[in-house]
Amino acid sequence: DIQLTQSPSFLSASVGDRVTLTCRASQDISGHLAWYQQKPGKAPNLLIYGVSTLQSGVPSRFSGSGSGTEFTLTISSLQPEDFATYYCHQIQSYPRTFGQGTKVEV
Amino acid sequence: QVQLVQSGAEVKKPGASVKVSCEASGYSLSGHALHWVRQAPGQRLEWMGWINGGNGNTKYSQNFQDRVTFTRDTSANTAYLELSSLRSEDTAVYYCARDNNAFWGAILIDYMDVWGEGTTVTVSS
Repeated sequence: DIQLTQSPSFLSASVGDRVTLTCRASQDISGHLAWYQQKPGKAPNLLIYGVSTLQSGVPSRFSGSGSGTEFTLTISSLQPEDFATYYCHQIQSYPRTFGQGTKVEV
Repeated sequence: QVQLVQSGAEVKKPGASVKVSCEASGYSLSGHALHWVRQAPGQRLEWMGWINGGNGNTKYSQNFQDRVTFTRDTSANTAYLELSSLRSEDTAVYYCARDNNAFWGAILIDYMDVWGEGTTVTVSS
């Protein structure tokens, strides 16, 4: 199975900060990576797929980059509604796997 | 509006089975695959498998291979997850999610773009 390791697990930040979340894969997953945002008690919400393609309706302050085994999600200017947990997800091979999440908190 | 509406919370005893439904609206279930993902309390998301909405073919995670069954009723535009031999570790929120795809260069990639609200399954004696 492909393991995804996110760092940091917790991130303390303030409104207006630029934050960068990292996801490392245990093997090359090419462009088969997506990012999801999840708020407490809610379903995950797709932010980015194909490493860097922004899902329709997602604010442009979110961006994704990377290749191979290392990927990042950047929020250019953190907004109050962005405090949540973020998960990376690989669709390169079965079983599909998720990272353990990064919780962005005040 | 495209959405997935799931059935309500369930409480089951160890050894029992549970069946969760996921009704699609705003699109045809037969036009997309549907994934099932679960999340135990405080844990990461765990992919369980998917069902092809058109032909009913399935792909299961080996973690659930012998206990899970995905089905769909295209006339009702609804998919189902059935999990048997329940144990306490199966206590989780179960989500359905629509599969969609796009080209990344010359490669077709997929992703889960619409999620149900989740169904809480509690396994307790």
